[in-house]
Formats: sequence, structure tokens, C-alpha cells
Amino acid sequence: EIVLTQSPGTLSLSPGERATLSCRASQSFGSSNLAWYLQKPGQAPRLLIYGASGRATGIPDRFSGSGSETDFTLTISRLEPEDFAVYYCQQYGSSPYTFGQGTKLEIK
Amino acid sequence: QLQLQESGPGLVKPPETLSLTCTVSSGSISSSSHYWGWLRQSPGKGLEWIGNVYYSGSTYYNPSLRSRVTISVDTSKNQFSLKLTSVTAADTAVYYCARGGSVNLGIAVYWGQGILVTVSS
Repeated sequence: EIVLTQSPGTLSLSPGERATLSCRASQSFGSSNLAWYLQKPGQAPRLLIYGASGRATGIPDRFSGSGSETDFTLTISRLEPEDFAVYYCQQYGSSPYTFGQGTKLEIK
Repeated sequence: QLQLQESGPGLVKPPETLSLTCTVSSGSISSSSHYWGWLRQSPGKGLEWIGNVYYSGSTYYNPSLRSRVTISVDTSKNQFSLKLTSVTAADTAVYYCARGGSVNLGIAVYWGQGILVTVSS
């Protein structure tokens, strides 16, 4: 089973700042089948990024994904108030498909 | 926009069977060449992929749950279902149904709102 480790656990930033979230896999899963999700309290996760760098429908371009093999990054160029939430990465290249433990993005 | 809604009992006694249904609206399971799946989220284990079913009925399960899980699809009702047998307290979680991709089955593109299932006697 591939383990995804997200860092940092908590990120404290202000609106307008740039956020960089990391996701590292315990081994390569043979492709760029890496997704990022955002989850707000009491809501289901929402797909942001698929294929490591593709933006899902309706996702603003301030969200971007990059990386390959075992190291992936989600960047939010200029934080908006609605971006403060928990972010999860998921690999869907090797079964069982696994999630990271999450990064909480909080307002500083 | 595609909508998914989970339904089923919120309380299940151990070691009974957990049964949930996902109703799909604003879209058809049978005319959509996509994977449909179940995931769950608990404080202890985080987000966990349970399994997927293709619109044709082919299934794919998390190996850790395979012996207890059945996912099926009913295209006439535009629904798909989850059965998890021999539940324990460790199965207490928010269960989500989701639509996957047309090529990749593990990704969750659209999610239901989730249903909390508590396993307790």
C-alpha cells in the first residue's frame, strides 16, 4: 500500500499570500494519477486537481498542481478567504487508492 | 449538475450488515461510462477508498475490505449500493458515494453529502 505524507500538518497564512502544500508518496505509483481535494467543515471533499496538474471543472486558476513520481505540490497563488480549509492528496494509480492525512490551511 | 445522495440507517449493531444506497440525479448511470464508488472518513483512519462499480457491473474493492464488501448497481433505479458485513466499531464513519472518472476508477469527481453511520450495540 502506498503511503502519502502531507506537509506541513498545519499552515498559517493570511489572505493574499501564496500557499505551498506538499504530498510525498512512499513509492512511485507509475503515473501522475494524483488528485487534490479541499474539504470544509461539515462538507464532503471537493476535487480540485486531477492528473497531478489538471484543474477540475470550475476550479479557479489560482490553484495549480505540479510534481511527478513521488513528490507533488499544490500551490494557491493568492489566498482568498474561502480557501481556508483542509486539503488532501490522493493517489489513484495503484490499488488500494490512498489519501494523505491532510494539511489544514488556517488564517493567520 | 450531477447530484448524488446517500441513504440508509445511521445506526448499525455489530456484527450486522451495513447497507447504504446512493441515488444519482441529473445524470444517468447507464448512459454514463463512468465508475461509481464508495469512500468513508473517520477520525481514526482519515479518508479511505472502499471500492468502485462500473456501470456494466464490474467491481473493484479495497483489499483490506474485500472479504466484507459488496458494491452493486441498479441502472433501472439509477442507484448503486454498498453492503458491508460483520461490522465493528471500527466501521463507524461518514460514508460518501461518488462518481469516478471514465478511465480512472479511484478518483472521486463528484461526491454525495455523506451519511454518518455509527456501529454500536
